[in-house]
Amino acid sequence: DSGVTQTPKHLITATGQRVTLRCSPRSGDLSVYWYQQSLDQGLQFLIQYYNGEERAKGNILERFSAQQFPDLHSELNLSSLELGDSALYFCASSERQGNYNGELFFGEGSRLTVL
Amino acid sequence: AQKVTQAQTEISVVEKEDVTLDCVYETRDTTYYLFWYKQPPSGELVFLIRRNSFDEQNEISGRYSWNFQKSTSSFNFTITASQVVDSAVYFCALSYLSGSARQLTFGSGTQLTVLP
Repeated sequence: DSGVTQTPKHLITATGQRVTLRCSPRSGDLSVYWYQQSLDQGLQFLIQYYNGEERAKGNILERFSAQQFPDLHSELNLSSLELGDSALYFCASSERQGNYNGELFFGEGSRLTVL
Repeated sequence: AQKVTQAQTEISVVEKEDVTLDCVYETRDTTYYLFWYKQPPSGELVFLIRRNSFDEQNEISGRYSWNFQKSTSSFNFTITASQVVDSAVYFCALSYLSGSARQLTFGSGTQLTVLP
């Protein structure tokens, strides 16, 4: 158990809809990362938040957005969903103050299926 | 550019064989970290090992061993006496500094199938 909690574990929705994925980082971790894993793209970095502020952006579509709240949990919002958005979405956390060594702790992922 | 290459897309071995998964990385950083993660069929990412760029000692943990060679920018992973439970996708990853943020970039993964 990594200590990172993601909900929901599975989600099935239709094209054009909007969904929200939730992530609670490990206790004490300030950074949250979102990754997308689709069959043909591997693990792609989407976005990182650190202590409530966006820190880095990867290959995140404009239809997607994220935020990190004061209690450090994060949400990834996916809108105008397309079939190609079907993927496993991972959240990871890191950077307990003064103890960062490059390792990310991953949640179990949220599997999104767009029909 | 910061990049990880896992040239082996799929490997299939018979139980008890040894198998080596290759990982080659590119980075301009002098301080970086390398990782291996395992993703079993259930989908979660399981951390296996972390190496920093200043520590080239090879490591052995049970049936797993890692060979880090900065001269060839490689961080290869060997499973000795493979078992069916080792069947999974294995990812090599590189952690590097991008501005003020540390980023983790993954290779494309190697699907290992261990046959009974």
